[in-house]
Amino acid sequence: DSGVTQTPKHLITATGQRVTLRCSPRSGDLSVYWYQQSLDQGLQFLIQYYNGEERAKGNILERFSAQQFPDLHSELNLSSLELGDSALYFCASSPTGNTEAFFGQGTRLTVV
Amino acid sequence: AQTVTQSQPEMSVQEAETVTLSCTYDTSENNYYLFWYKQPPSRQMILVIRQEAYKQQNATENRFSVNFQKAAKSFSLKISDSQLGDTAMYFCAFDSGTYKYIFGTGTRLKVLA
Repeated sequence: DSGVTQTPKHLITATGQRVTLRCSPRSGDLSVYWYQQSLDQGLQFLIQYYNGEERAKGNILERFSAQQFPDLHSELNLSSLELGDSALYFCASSPTGNTEAFFGQGTRLTVV
Repeated sequence: AQTVTQSQPEMSVQEAETVTLSCTYDTSENNYYLFWYKQPPSRQMILVIRQEAYKQQNATENRFSVNFQKAAKSFSLKISDSQLGDTAMYFCAFDSGTYKYIFGTGTRLKVLA
């Protein structure tokens, strides 16, 4: 158990809908990362937050947004969902943002 | 642009044997971090080993060790005494302190009984 909690574990939704993925980092970690892993692909970096502030952005679609709250949990919002958004979405956390990241178990999103 | 390349999509090794997974990267940075992550069928991402670029000594964690060649921008993972539980996808990752880890495409390792 990495100490990073992601909910829900599985999510099935229809095209055009909006979903919210939640992540609770390890106790004491200030940095949260979001990654997308499509089937049999590598991990694509989406976005990183540090202590509530956005610190780095990857190839995140405009339909996607995220935030980190004062209690350090983070949410990834995906809207106007398309079939191609089906993937495993990982959250990871680290103490400062330049050390190893510890991953949650992921949320498997299926868009039908 | 910083990139990470894993040129071996799939590998197999006999139980108890040794296997080496390759990783190369491209960066103009001098200080950075390199990682190997393991993703078993459960899909959980598990940190295997980490190397700081400023350290010349290769990192070792039990049966896992790396061969870090900074000039060649190479970072291979050696697994000794392979076990069935080592069967997984292995990802090499790079972080230059820009706060986003860049992952390679992975190597699928199968340990054969």
